[in-house]
Amino acid sequence: DQQVKQNSPSLSVQEGRISILNCDYTNSMFDYFLWYKKYPAEGPTFLISISSIKDKNEDGRFTVFLNKSAKHLSLHIVPSQPGDSAVYFCAASSFSGGYNKLIFGAGTRLAVHP
Amino acid sequence: ETGVTQTPRHLVMGMTNKKSLKCEQHLGHNAMYWYKQSAKKPLELMFVYNFKEQTENNSVPSRFSPECPNSSHLFLHLHTLQPEDSALYLCASSQDAWAGGNEQYFGPGTRLTVT
Repeated sequence: DQQVKQNSPSLSVQEGRISILNCDYTNSMFDYFLWYKKYPAEGPTFLISISSIKDKNEDGRFTVFLNKSAKHLSLHIVPSQPGDSAVYFCAASSFSGGYNKLIFGAGTRLAVHP
Repeated sequence: ETGVTQTPRHLVMGMTNKKSLKCEQHLGHNAMYWYKQSAKKPLELMFVYNFKEQTENNSVPSRFSPECPNSSHLFLHLHTLQPEDSALYLCASSQDAWAGGNEQYFGPGTRLTVT
C-alpha cells in the first residue's frame, strides 16, 4: 500500500523549457512534503519543501505546488538545465510513533537535453 | 570530512558472512536513520535513532542489527543475509526526529550484493 506515488518513472524535457514532476498521496495526515534530487552514486539531496498549510513555495527556479483537495503536489523547474538531470523523489512527513516519519515515492528520472 | 559519510561504498558478501556498514555524520545532528532502496522501489525506512535511542524498527528481520554508540555514528551489522537483501543502503541524519518537515541529509549509500 503505497501512500506516496510518483506515477511517471521518467520525463524528458528540452533545455530551457519547464519540467513538471508530479506526486500523489493518500494520507491526509501528512503535514509536510519534500522533494529530493539524486544523482548517480550520490545520496538524495534536499531540494525544497512545503507545509500542508500552504499551497505554493518557491526557491529560485524551483516551485512546489500543493493541492490538498486532490492530494497532489508538483515540482516545477523553470528553466530546465542539463544539470537538473537526476532522479527526483517526493516525500511526505507525518508525526507517528513519537517521531516524524518520511515516506518516499519511487522517484521520477528527469532527463534535460540540449 | 563533511556531511554524511558511509563506508564501504560497495560490499559483496556471501550468505554466511558477517559484515558491518558504517555511517558518520559531521553535521551535529541528533537523529540518524537507515534506509533500504531496492531497484525501482521507494526508499524504505529501516531504523531510526533519536538522541541515541532507537525509536523505530520498521519490522526489519533480525539478520539486520543496528548500533548507535553516539549521535555521530551509526552501524548496521549484517549476518546470514539472503540474496533479496541486495540493495542500496542509505544512512541519513537530521537535527532531531521530532521537527515537522524533518529535512534529512543523506550519505552516498553502500551498494550491497549478497551472493
